Amino acid sequence: RKEVEQDPGPFNVPEGATVAFNCTYSNSASQSFFWYRQDCRKEPKLLMSVYSSGNEDGRFTAQLNRASQYISLLIRDSKLSDSATYLCAVGLSGGYNKLIFGAGTRLAVHP
Amino acid sequence: EPEVTQTPSHQVTQMGQEVILRCVPISNHLYFYWYRQILGQKVEFLVSFYNNEISEKSEIFDDQFSVERPDGSNFTLKIRSTKLEDSAMYFCASIGRDNQPQHFGDGTRLSIL
Repeated sequence: RKEVEQDPGPFNVPEGATVAFNCTYSNSASQSFFWYRQDCRKEPKLLMSVYSSGNEDGRFTAQLNRASQYISLLIRDSKLSDSATYLCAVGLSGGYNKLIFGAGTRLAVHP
Repeated sequence: EPEVTQTPSHQVTQMGQEVILRCVPISNHLYFYWYRQILGQKVEFLVSFYNNEISEKSEIFDDQFSVERPDGSNFTLKIRSTKLEDSAMYFCASIGRDNQPQHFGDGTRLSIL
């Protein structure tokens, strides 16, 4: 089983749509969780950390389900500029926080 | 906002040559990382560095790779004898303390011919 798994997509959605991505992780000792956004041939840019209670940042909502070992990202009111690959990243506390990345989910928002 | 900076942005090298990729982490950060991403594949952890020594390395990080913090600001990745399969984007990242999100530099694209 892959350490961090994501649906590769692509998700093709119209502007204004709501879209959700899931990510599962295999190591139950994982302690830190993040969503990054990556544009083509660019560096991963932190979108948001994911907290146990769930958290929201504008149009973006992240959730963590430790029992089922998955995290999710919800994007409301999609914009053309949201088109990118969304990377799930998981870290082990005490592992000097090395991140294990999923392969990413590609989102294409069209007019 | 402080940034992680990497140089060069693109490095083209003949197979078998040595390359050094450079990173300047955010100034008060303590943990440093190198990752790589082969085109079309996922971001992979190479090595973490803390307190002037390697704290963890992946199986990719073999004897051909080394890291160094030669002064208070630079963090370098050296590949001693490059192979074609070393062609990838190499990203440096840093954090101030454990469990913080990592901030990535904009990467060095390494092309081995």
